[in-house]
Amino acid sequence: DVKVTQSSRYLVKRTGEKVFLECVQDMDHENMFWYRQDPGLGLRLIYFSYDVKMKEKGDIPEGYSVSREKKERFSLILESASTNQTSMYLCASLRPSGSREQYFGPGTRLTVT
Amino acid sequence: GEDVEQSLFLSVREGDSSVINCTYTDSSSTYLYWYKQEPGAGLQLLTYIFSNMDMKQDQRLTVLLNKKDKHLSLRIADTQTGDSAIYFCAETPDNYGQNFVFGPGTRLSVLP
Repeated sequence: DVKVTQSSRYLVKRTGEKVFLECVQDMDHENMFWYRQDPGLGLRLIYFSYDVKMKEKGDIPEGYSVSREKKERFSLILESASTNQTSMYLCASLRPSGSREQYFGPGTRLTVT
Repeated sequence: GEDVEQSLFLSVREGDSSVINCTYTDSSSTYLYWYKQEPGAGLQLLTYIFSNMDMKQDQRLTVLLNKKDKHLSLRIADTQTGDSAIYFCAETPDNYGQNFVFGPGTRLSVLP
């Protein structure tokens, strides 16, 4: 069974802290994504990666960076957390053929105080 | 850029049919998707339709695609309380890219 896991379900951090969100998939997928989800705005793409050490900016990359050192792991980094980064963060990996569906992790709800 | 729109809320009575609508702007959309998000969970693919299809049926789910009007709908027959969730419409313009555009989601409430 396909699985995407995220390191934390809930996280509370202080303004200015460095925050790491980890995502692991067990499907050997090349493409992985980080989205943030805010009410009424749907999912907005922060970054995606199409291979190890390869990354592309999405629609809202400001204030975020990513790391993909191994194929199964894609990390989202908030260098200096701010209150406007309080959100739900969703990681996904992409089935490369057929339906090209995305498999999502359960999400991390981050609160920055 | 591409845009996907949905109404934000829908309420139906248990046993009725639900119809969730979506409009999109990208005329080159190749795949169109419906994802479901239950409380506290990530998104899960419900169904998808390829752009050369008009309709797809899968048990209680019927997807209709009107390419001319760029309109996608999801009909859930005999809606149950377990169908209460947020439903996201999404599209992707090509087979090889990583560009997926999601709508804001429609929160479906099923009343007993």
